[in-house]
Amino acid sequence: KQEVTQIPAALSVPEGENLVLNCSFTDSAIYNLQWFRQDPGKGLTSLLLIQSSQREQTSGRLNASLDKSSGRSTLYIAASQPGDSATYLCAVSAGTYKYIFGTGTRLKVLA
Amino acid sequence: KAGVTQTPRYLIKTRGQQVTLSCSPISGHRSVSWYQQTPGQGLQFLFEYFSETQRNKGNFPGRFSGRQFSNSRSEMNVSTLELGDSALYLCASSLELAGGYNEQFFGPGTRLTVL
Repeated sequence: KQEVTQIPAALSVPEGENLVLNCSFTDSAIYNLQWFRQDPGKGLTSLLLIQSSQREQTSGRLNASLDKSSGRSTLYIAASQPGDSATYLCAVSAGTYKYIFGTGTRLKVLA
Repeated sequence: KAGVTQTPRYLIKTRGQQVTLSCSPISGHRSVSWYQQTPGQGLQFLFEYFSETQRNKGNFPGRFSGRQFSNSRSEMNVSTLELGDSALYLCASSLELAGGYNEQFFGPGTRLTVL
């Protein structure tokens, strides 16, 4: 049974710091891994999708890497800003037409 | 291009009632998934539909059901509501491409409160 863990559960950093969010999964047989952000009470916004054949994806200040063999993905946020404050979720697709979500990392960037 | 829309955005019901939530996917997307989000359990998969067929179902009681129409719009229904059904219900649509590319796009959710 696929389990997805995100560490840390919460993170508070000063503005301008580079930071890394971690996502671990127990079954390496995945098709995709997707990173999302969620603002309080809102839906999820897709940030990056990494297919199983890829090692990383980049979008602006965000970079996500995938290491299937070790069951890990990291989301790197460069030069963090207060607007980056949100909960970050990772989800893995195991090819069974559903995504399994991690519990999220709640990020607060202090001005 | 319009995003995923969900109606209603907020709903208050009492125990024992039933409720129907609606989701309109992004134009051209044929896969629609539903999730329940609660503070205690996080995001949990309910079911997924593609071309009017349910392809997968999560571990929820039979009170939770869904369907998809020929235009890809989807509804989910919860019968005999319980207090524990209070949650944010999220719908996601995706455009399935060759090679397993399956990025999910989420709607704003329906906040259901059961009293």
